[in-house]
Amino acid sequence: AQSVTQPDIHITVSEGASLELRCNYSYGATPYLFWYVQSPGQGLQLLLKYFSGDTLVQGIKGFEAEFKRSQSSFNLRKPSVHWSDAAEYFCAVGADGNKLVFGAGTILRVKS
Amino acid sequence: DGGITQSPKYLFRKEGQNVTLSCEQNLNHDAMYWYRQDPGQGLRLIYYSQIVNDFQKGDIAEGYSVSREKKESFPLTVTSAQKNPTAFYLCASSPGLRDGSREQYFGPGTRLTVT
Repeated sequence: AQSVTQPDIHITVSEGASLELRCNYSYGATPYLFWYVQSPGQGLQLLLKYFSGDTLVQGIKGFEAEFKRSQSSFNLRKPSVHWSDAAEYFCAVGADGNKLVFGAGTILRVKS
Repeated sequence: DGGITQSPKYLFRKEGQNVTLSCEQNLNHDAMYWYRQDPGQGLRLIYYSQIVNDFQKGDIAEGYSVSREKKESFPLTVTSAQKNPTAFYLCASSPGLRDGSREQYFGPGTRLTVT
């Protein structure tokens, strides 16, 4: 069965510093991979997605992610974090039956 | 303006009462989903529907029921059999099996509190 692991429950970074959120997945074939962001009490917004092709994908709000098949990873990065990036981030993998399996999420705190 | 609406934003009920959460989409999507979110547990799939008049149980369907009589609507009923119903509920939709992307679009959520 497909699964997603986000090893970091909380991450704190200083404003202007770089960010990397980790995501590892379990899936037999080429996966469909997603990163979503959620502000408190809100729904999820898609940041970026990977289906095939270039393994470095660009998303909204200056985020990017790199698919590494050999490491079963899809880490999210941003070169310079803004205070407005504070939120919870979810990695997801496409599963059988047109479903998504989500990780437990990583809460990002930004300190000024 | 296309999107997914969930109402109400906050819902309060007494234990033992059934309650229905609304989810409507005007994206012309075939598939719709209900998730439950609890702190530290990510999103867990309750029910999903790939097409009108058809739906399947997700990972935590016990104590919940759904219907899909219209393409636009996928209401979720939280029954009195659900042991711990207080949670944040999210509805989502996707183009469905005819689209290969699997991308899901989410509504703003309903926070249900049962006392």
